[in-house]
Amino acid sequence: ETGVTQTPRHLVMGMTNKKSLKCEQHLGHNAMYWYKQSAKKPLELMFVYNFKEQTENNSVPSRFSPECPNSSHLFLHLHTLQPEDSALYLCASSQRQGLGYTFGSGTRLTVV
Amino acid sequence: AQSVTQLGSHVSVSEGALVLLRCNYSSSVPPYLFWYVQYPNQGLQLLLKYTTGATLVKGINGFEAEFKKSETSFHLTKPSAHMSDAAEYFCAVSGPHSGGSNYKLTFGKGTLLTVNP
Repeated sequence: ETGVTQTPRHLVMGMTNKKSLKCEQHLGHNAMYWYKQSAKKPLELMFVYNFKEQTENNSVPSRFSPECPNSSHLFLHLHTLQPEDSALYLCASSQRQGLGYTFGSGTRLTVV
Repeated sequence: AQSVTQLGSHVSVSEGALVLLRCNYSSSVPPYLFWYVQYPNQGLQLLLKYTTGATLVKGINGFEAEFKKSETSFHLTKPSAHMSDAAEYFCAVSGPHSGGSNYKLTFGKGTLLTVNP
């Protein structure tokens, strides 16, 4: 256990479903991140939150909607996804934005 | 803008052989440098990091890396590979972002290490 917990570990959803990914950390970190990792592609930074405020959105489609209610929790709400959205979604946190990331184990998402 | 180049997307070594994974970076200021390891269906785990001070950095699992400013390199080495070292390895650089107090972490594309018996 790394200190960053992601649930669920695996998720299969249809293209019309709505689901949410959850990330939780109790490391006292102030920054949290969502990454997408697809097969044979580099890690893609999706969103960055610093002290609960979104500081980066890397042109992510609106079918992905992040939420950061406090510095310990980060959600990724999913709706009307496409098969190409199937990937490993990784959450990370750090004390200071851009330094010393701790990653969760990821959610393996399959869109059918 | 900072960037990271990992030379070789796939490296294959025999068990007991030297492991050398190459990483070159570009950064306009002295960077912070990191190596992460990812095992199948897991998140990334920090292996080691360079911030300031000694340029030879020792990490977990017998890995080490040397920061060479003149060569803008941060290569990862291990004297003797073990089967359990088979994984994907990511080099990353962090530097100041947009002139503010925050930093931006940039990952390389990763190198898949295969260890043959």
